[in-house]
Amino acid sequence: DAKTTQPPSMDCAEGRAANLPCNHSTISGNEYVYWYRQIHSQGPQYIIHGLKNNETNEMASLIITEDRKSSTLILPHATLRDTAVYYCIVSPYSNSGYALNFGKGTSLLVTP
Amino acid sequence: GAVVSQHPSRVICKSGTSVKIECRSLDFQATTMFWYRQFPKQSLMLMATSNEGSKATYEQGVEKDKFLINHASLTLSTLTVTSAHPEDSSFYICSAVGTGARSQPQHFGDGTRLSIL
Repeated sequence: DAKTTQPPSMDCAEGRAANLPCNHSTISGNEYVYWYRQIHSQGPQYIIHGLKNNETNEMASLIITEDRKSSTLILPHATLRDTAVYYCIVSPYSNSGYALNFGKGTSLLVTP
Repeated sequence: GAVVSQHPSRVICKSGTSVKIECRSLDFQATTMFWYRQFPKQSLMLMATSNEGSKATYEQGVEKDKFLINHASLTLSTLTVTSAHPEDSSFYICSAVGTGARSQPQHFGDGTRLSIL
Protein backbone atom coordinates (compact mmCIF):
# COMPACT_ATOMS: atom_id res chain seq x y z
CA ASP A 1 0.00 0.00 0.00
CA ALA A 2 1.08 3.57 -0.65
CA LYS A 3 1.96 5.45 2.50
CA THR A 4 0.49 8.75 3.55
CA THR A 5 1.87 11.69 5.48
CA GLN A 6 -0.36 13.79 7.72
CA PRO A 7 0.40 16.46 10.29
CA PRO A 8 0.20 14.92 13.77
CA SER A 9 -2.17 17.54 15.13
CA MET A 10 -4.27 20.54 14.18
CA ASP A 11 -6.54 22.98 15.93
CA CYS A 12 -9.67 24.58 14.55
CA ALA A 13 -12.13 27.03 15.99
CA GLU A 14 -15.72 25.92 16.21
CA GLY A 15 -17.73 27.07 13.21
CA ARG A 16 -14.70 27.51 11.00
CA ALA A 17 -13.64 25.24 8.18
CA ALA A 18 -11.14 22.54 9.08
CA ASN A 19 -8.74 21.71 6.25
CA LEU A 20 -6.79 18.51 6.84
CA PRO A 21 -3.97 17.84 4.40
CA CYS A 22 -2.58 14.50 3.32
CA ASN A 23 0.40 13.68 1.17
CA HIS A 24 0.37 10.44 -0.81
CA SER A 25 3.06 11.00 -3.40
CA THR A 26 3.51 7.28 -4.17
CA ILE A 27 -0.15 6.54 -4.85
CA SER A 28 -0.80 4.06 -7.65
CA GLY A 29 -3.31 4.47 -10.43
CA ASN A 30 -5.74 1.91 -8.97
CA GLU A 31 -5.67 3.29 -5.45
CA TYR A 32 -8.42 5.35 -3.90
CA VAL A 33 -8.04 7.96 -1.18
CA TYR A 34 -10.20 7.11 1.85
CA TRP A 35 -10.75 9.28 4.90
CA TYR A 36 -11.88 7.92 8.24
CA ARG A 37 -12.02 9.41 11.69
CA GLN A 38 -11.92 7.86 15.11
CA ILE A 39 -13.50 9.49 18.08
CA HIS A 40 -12.05 8.35 21.38
CA SER A 41 -12.91 4.76 22.30
CA GLN A 42 -15.02 4.18 19.20
CA GLY A 43 -14.49 2.35 15.94
CA PRO A 44 -13.37 4.33 12.88
CA GLN A 45 -16.10 6.17 11.03
CA TYR A 46 -16.05 6.41 7.25
CA ILE A 47 -16.11 9.99 5.97
CA ILE A 48 -15.49 10.10 2.25
CA HIS A 49 -13.38 8.64 -0.55
CA GLY A 50 -12.32 9.49 -4.08
CA LEU A 51 -10.17 8.42 -6.98
CA LYS A 52 -9.49 11.45 -9.16
CA ASN A 53 -12.34 13.90 -8.90
CA ASN A 54 -13.26 16.06 -5.96
CA GLU A 55 -16.04 14.62 -3.87
CA THR A 56 -18.59 16.06 -1.47
CA ASN A 57 -21.09 14.46 0.86
CA GLU A 58 -23.06 15.50 3.89
CA MET A 59 -20.02 15.23 6.14
CA ALA A 60 -17.15 16.70 4.18
CA SER A 61 -15.48 17.56 0.91
CA LEU A 62 -12.44 15.88 -0.53
CA ILE A 63 -10.11 17.80 -2.81
CA ILE A 64 -7.59 15.69 -4.73
CA THR A 65 -4.82 17.39 -6.67
CA GLU A 66 -4.61 16.76 -10.38
CA ASP A 67 -1.44 14.67 -10.00
CA ARG A 68 -3.16 12.76 -7.15
CA LYS A 69 -0.12 13.14 -4.94
CA SER A 70 -1.98 14.96 -2.21
CA SER A 71 -5.47 15.67 -0.98
CA THR A 72 -7.33 17.81 1.53
CA LEU A 73 -10.32 16.88 3.64
CA ILE A 74 -12.53 19.84 4.37
CA LEU A 75 -15.03 19.96 7.22
CA PRO A 76 -16.91 23.12 6.25
CA HIS A 77 -18.22 24.13 9.66
CA ALA A 78 -16.37 22.28 12.40
CA THR A 79 -18.19 21.49 15.62
CA LEU A 80 -16.88 20.26 18.96
CA ARG A 81 -18.09 16.77 18.00
CA ASP A 82 -15.64 16.76 15.11
CA THR A 83 -12.74 16.46 17.56
CA ALA A 84 -11.16 13.14 16.58
CA VAL A 85 -8.19 11.49 14.92
CA TYR A 86 -8.52 11.70 11.14
CA TYR A 87 -6.91 9.06 8.97
CA CYS A 88 -6.05 9.46 5.31
CA ILE A 89 -5.60 6.05 3.71
CA VAL A 90 -4.81 5.04 0.16
CA SER A 91 -5.89 1.61 -0.88
CA PRO A 92 -7.10 -0.37 -3.84
CA TYR A 93 -10.84 -0.62 -3.96
CA SER A 94 -12.17 -1.86 -0.64
CA ASN A 95 -13.89 -5.04 -1.68
CA SER A 96 -10.81 -6.43 -3.30
CA GLY A 97 -9.86 -7.86 0.06
CA TYR A 98 -7.33 -5.22 0.99
CA ALA A 99 -7.34 -4.17 4.61
CA LEU A 100 -6.84 -0.52 5.44
CA ASN A 101 -3.39 0.54 6.56
CA PHE A 102 -3.97 3.05 9.33
CA GLY A 103 -1.09 5.40 9.93
CA LYS A 104 -0.91 7.80 12.84
CA GLY A 105 -3.45 10.24 11.47
CA THR A 106 -4.09 13.85 12.42
CA SER A 107 -5.52 14.63 15.82
CA LEU A 108 -7.97 17.46 15.25
CA LEU A 109 -9.02 19.54 18.22
CA VAL A 110 -12.01 21.80 17.69
CA THR A 111 -12.12 24.56 20.26
CA PRO A 112 -15.03 26.74 21.39
CA GLY B 1 -25.78 3.86 5.83
CA ALA B 2 -24.12 0.52 6.30
CA VAL B 3 -24.04 -0.67 9.88
CA VAL B 4 -21.65 -3.08 11.53
CA SER B 5 -22.54 -4.27 14.99
CA GLN B 6 -19.93 -5.59 17.38
CA HIS B 7 -20.70 -7.36 20.62
CA PRO B 8 -19.86 -7.18 23.45
CA SER B 9 -18.60 -3.62 23.76
CA ARG B 10 -16.62 -4.36 26.88
CA VAL B 11 -15.35 -7.48 28.58
CA ILE B 12 -13.49 -7.87 31.84
CA CYS B 13 -12.42 -11.37 32.72
CA LYS B 14 -9.83 -13.44 34.53
CA SER B 15 -6.61 -14.67 33.01
CA GLY B 16 -7.04 -18.02 31.26
CA THR B 17 -10.59 -17.32 30.12
CA SER B 18 -11.62 -17.56 26.48
CA VAL B 19 -13.60 -14.64 25.09
CA LYS B 20 -15.73 -14.55 21.95
CA ILE B 21 -16.40 -11.32 20.07
CA GLU B 22 -19.10 -11.13 17.40
CA CYS B 23 -19.13 -8.88 14.37
CA ARG B 24 -22.31 -8.58 12.32
CA SER B 25 -23.11 -6.67 9.17
CA LEU B 26 -26.69 -5.59 9.75
CA ASP B 27 -27.88 -4.35 6.39
CA PHE B 28 -25.49 -5.80 3.86
CA GLN B 29 -23.72 -9.03 3.02
CA ALA B 30 -20.01 -9.04 3.73
CA THR B 31 -17.80 -11.51 1.92
CA THR B 32 -14.78 -10.09 3.69
CA MET B 33 -14.37 -8.99 7.27
CA PHE B 34 -11.24 -7.71 8.94
CA TRP B 35 -10.14 -7.84 12.54
CA TYR B 36 -7.93 -5.10 13.97
CA ARG B 37 -6.37 -4.49 17.35
CA GLN B 38 -5.54 -1.14 18.89
CA PHE B 39 -3.34 -0.61 21.92
CA PRO B 40 -3.49 2.66 23.90
CA LYS B 41 -2.20 5.69 22.03
CA GLN B 42 -1.49 3.59 18.95
CA SER B 43 -3.16 3.17 15.61
CA LEU B 44 -5.20 0.21 14.42
CA MET B 45 -3.18 -2.83 13.46
CA LEU B 46 -4.60 -5.53 11.22
CA MET B 47 -4.75 -8.95 12.83
CA ALA B 48 -6.49 -11.05 10.20
CA THR B 49 -8.62 -11.08 7.10
CA SER B 50 -11.68 -13.28 7.12
CA ASN B 51 -13.48 -14.49 4.02
CA GLU B 52 -16.82 -16.20 4.26
CA GLY B 53 -16.51 -19.95 4.09
CA SER B 54 -12.74 -20.11 4.14
CA LYS B 55 -9.91 -19.96 6.63
CA ALA B 56 -8.78 -16.59 7.85
CA THR B 57 -5.48 -15.10 6.79
CA TYR B 58 -3.43 -13.90 9.73
CA GLU B 59 -0.85 -11.15 9.79
CA GLN B 60 2.69 -11.95 10.75
CA GLY B 61 3.08 -12.25 14.49
CA VAL B 62 -0.59 -13.02 15.18
CA GLU B 63 -1.08 -16.50 16.57
CA LYS B 64 -3.86 -18.27 14.70
CA ASP B 65 -4.32 -20.82 17.47
CA LYS B 66 -4.84 -18.09 20.01
CA PHE B 67 -7.09 -15.85 17.96
CA LEU B 68 -9.67 -18.11 16.38
CA ILE B 69 -11.73 -16.57 13.60
CA ASN B 70 -14.90 -18.02 12.17
CA HIS B 71 -16.76 -16.46 9.25
CA ALA B 72 -19.57 -18.92 8.71
CA SER B 73 -22.06 -16.61 7.05
CA LEU B 74 -22.14 -13.44 4.98
CA THR B 75 -23.25 -11.41 7.97
CA LEU B 76 -21.31 -12.82 10.90
CA SER B 77 -17.68 -13.24 11.85
CA THR B 78 -16.44 -14.16 15.30
CA LEU B 79 -13.08 -13.72 16.99
CA THR B 80 -12.32 -15.93 19.97
CA VAL B 81 -9.38 -15.03 22.15
CA THR B 82 -8.42 -18.33 23.73
CA SER B 83 -6.80 -18.55 27.16
CA ALA B 84 -6.53 -14.79 27.35
CA HIS B 85 -3.73 -13.20 29.35
CA PRO B 86 -3.20 -9.61 30.50
CA GLU B 87 -1.06 -8.83 27.45
CA ASP B 88 -4.11 -9.58 25.29
CA SER B 89 -5.91 -6.64 26.84
CA SER B 90 -6.68 -4.29 23.98
CA PHE B 91 -9.36 -2.67 21.85
CA TYR B 92 -10.52 -5.13 19.19
CA ILE B 93 -12.32 -3.74 16.15
CA CYS B 94 -13.90 -5.46 13.19
CA SER B 95 -14.78 -4.10 9.78
CA ALA B 96 -16.77 -5.41 6.89
CA VAL B 97 -17.03 -4.68 3.22
CA GLY B 98 -20.00 -5.53 1.05
CA THR B 99 -20.35 -7.34 -2.22
CA GLY B 100 -21.39 -4.34 -4.27
CA ALA B 101 -19.41 -1.57 -5.95
CA ARG B 102 -15.66 -2.02 -6.02
CA SER B 103 -14.81 1.22 -4.27
CA GLN B 104 -17.38 1.01 -1.52
CA PRO B 105 -15.78 1.66 1.84
CA GLN B 106 -15.23 -0.65 4.74
CA HIS B 107 -17.48 -0.05 7.70
CA PHE B 108 -16.36 -0.58 11.24
CA GLY B 109 -17.94 -1.81 14.41
CA ASP B 110 -17.68 0.21 17.60
CA GLY B 111 -15.03 -2.07 19.01
CA THR B 112 -14.68 -4.36 22.01
CA ARG B 113 -12.54 -3.29 24.92
CA LEU B 114 -11.03 -6.42 26.43
CA SER B 115 -9.48 -6.26 29.88
CA ILE B 116 -7.82 -9.36 31.28
CA LEU B 117 -7.13 -9.33 35.00
